[in-house]
Amino acid sequence: KAGVTQTPRYLIKTRGQQVTLSCSPISGHRSVSWYQQTPGQGLQFLFEYFSETQRNKGNFPGRFSGRQFSNSRSEMNVSTLELGDSALYLCASSLVGGHSSYNEQFFGPGTRLTVL
Amino acid sequence: AQSVTQLGSHVSVSEGALVLLRCNYSSSVPPYLFWYVQYPNQGLQLLLKYTSAATLVKGINGFEAEFKKSETSFHLTKPSAHMSDAAEYFCARTATNKLIFGTGTLLAVQP
Repeated sequence: KAGVTQTPRYLIKTRGQQVTLSCSPISGHRSVSWYQQTPGQGLQFLFEYFSETQRNKGNFPGRFSGRQFSNSRSEMNVSTLELGDSALYLCASSLVGGHSSYNEQFFGPGTRLTVL
Repeated sequence: AQSVTQLGSHVSVSEGALVLLRCNYSSSVPPYLFWYVQYPNQGLQLLLKYTSAATLVKGINGFEAEFKKSETSFHLTKPSAHMSDAAEYFCARTATNKLIFGTGTLLAVQP
């Protein structure tokens, strides 16, 4: 079974631009979550989608948005990029997600975004 | 507030020595707990998970962790470190539709 794939793996943008990152979950997984990883803030939850609906959102500005398609693939978009958006963006998929229940998440390799 | 605390951002051990990485959680109700490992320029790989079935959990690569409710801890151990264990390790807990991660512990293994 193929794992979680993320494209592109590396991206360089300049301040003010916008960027779209893509995530394909493991086949059959319906929940996709996004995390931002930086040296200063560590791993921070961005949002989670299940069956094309955003179920949970972290504490990030509205410049960060996402969506999920009917095939469970997900994209996240960051508009008006700032230097502080430079990070590794990780996508994770799970079968069904759920409330404080057991929720094993499988992570992709990440997209390394550098904002100049 | 739900949180995960990892004591020691950097841990260094000699090859063959015991590895002990510490994790404490805060919660009135024991959550599900996980340890992930991250190698340079890679995503997170699940090492092991606690889902209330057993307090001593065995994972991949010889790692294990013990859930202690009285201490709200879930420390990760390995009896004998190998050079290939050098990586960053993250403890995580479940919350509503997400995982909350600790700040990570970078493990160095000296020859």
